[in-house]
Amino acid sequence: DTAVSQTPKYLVTQMGNDKSIKCEQNLGHDTMYWYKQDSKKFLKIMFSYNNKELIINETVPNRFSPKSPDKAHLNLHINSLELGDSAVYFCASSQDRGSGKSSYEQYFGPGTRLTVT
Amino acid sequence: LAKTTQPISMDSYEGQEVNITCSHNNIATNDYITWYQQFPSQGPRFIIQGYKTKVTNEVASLFIPADRKSSTLSLPRVSLSDTAVYYCLVVPKGNSGYSTLTFGKGTMLLVSP
Repeated sequence: DTAVSQTPKYLVTQMGNDKSIKCEQNLGHDTMYWYKQDSKKFLKIMFSYNNKELIINETVPNRFSPKSPDKAHLNLHINSLELGDSAVYFCASSQDRGSGKSSYEQYFGPGTRLTVT
Repeated sequence: LAKTTQPISMDSYEGQEVNITCSHNNIATNDYITWYQQFPSQGPRFIIQGYKTKVTNEVASLFIPADRKSSTLSLPRVSLSDTAVYYCLVVPKGNSGYSTLTFGKGTMLLVSP
């Protein structure tokens, strides 16, 4: 049983195209995240949704638009793809532990390797 | 957010104990210390988390001195499959139920036969 799944695993596309990456978690978690890992292996948070509401939006170009149709899904749509968008994108989820708790335990998906040519 | 510093890489042999130390001099009172493991072509995986003293689970042990300015992840009797990147993170407790994980460069552990 896959906890956090992403599709597609690989995505090769040309500059200027629009593409989407889907993420689903079957853990019943309240919070989902998108991270980007670049060629230097730095892993950075992009967005976070809690119960379908955007709660974290780091400095990301507005070409990137996350959408959460329900608590179990967080999709990432990217418009006008650029060469610099090539990276591995990870989806993650965590359980909302309530006030005063830290959701340090996040469950990551297998990643989507995006290559823009 | 407290900055973390850890060795870029470490080498070990199968069966040895590996200790990876992380410095976090500016850790705040409400911060937890968390370690993740990442295999090639996979997402990071939570290993262990602690606040102070010693924490042990089936995978590793985490040693945190009283001043909490550093922490040591201990992997007993490593095997080839423990070859991975290990990330030390400081995670704010906060008032919400969610946290942003800030990953550094991590430590690339290579285990040889």
